[in-house]
Amino acid sequence: AQKVTQAQTEISVVEKEDVTLDCVYETRDTTYYLFWYKQPPSGELVFLIRRNSFDEQNEISGRYSWNFQKSTSSFNFTITASQVVDSAVYFCALDDYKLSFGAGTTVTVRA
Amino acid sequence: ETGVTQSPTHLIKTRGQQVTLRCSSQSGHNTVSWYQQALGQGPQFIFQYYREEENGRGNFPPRFSGLQFPNYSSELNVNALELDDSALYLCASSPGGLAGQETQYFGPGTRLLVL
Repeated sequence: AQKVTQAQTEISVVEKEDVTLDCVYETRDTTYYLFWYKQPPSGELVFLIRRNSFDEQNEISGRYSWNFQKSTSSFNFTITASQVVDSAVYFCALDDYKLSFGAGTTVTVRA
Repeated sequence: ETGVTQSPTHLIKTRGQQVTLRCSSQSGHNTVSWYQQALGQGPQFIFQYYREEENGRGNFPPRFSGLQFPNYSSELNVNALELDDSALYLCASSPGGLAGQETQYFGPGTRLLVL
């Protein structure tokens, strides 16, 4: 069974719109970590945010914010006021004993 | 602080050949993980090395093997290459061997094409 599901394959928005990326995960562990990574066309995976399973406090970091809900096993990520440079593939990942990635969501921000 | 580096950036091989990919971890990191990313998919965990020992392995056949050196750099070796091995191979380093507790930082990857 897939451990991380990103149901959205592609999202296209106009600059300055907000973008919310959905992520649902599956694990039997009580201790685990969740991540969001960004992969621009160059190919390198860039770390964005990390959350542990004991901290459900949602936070904002610059234009990024996330909504972690353990009861629904969801870890959604929002980019506020999107910019063209935000265009990339975004991956949600679960680390219980190894890092498992979702299939990714391609975000295209049009000027 | 030097980030994760990988070499070569691109590689073309033919079926049946062997390939070695190299990775230098970020300064201060002693754990290296390797991932295979096929086109249009998320990265898949191959294996992890911590202090020169294999510290976990994904669902990959034994022809995928690795090494970690005393300076924590690492190699990924793939024998008997198959067409399906064509992918982006990503290396990531993290500060310690505690699975699930550290952020992994990725290199730019090596694009392997098997003809």
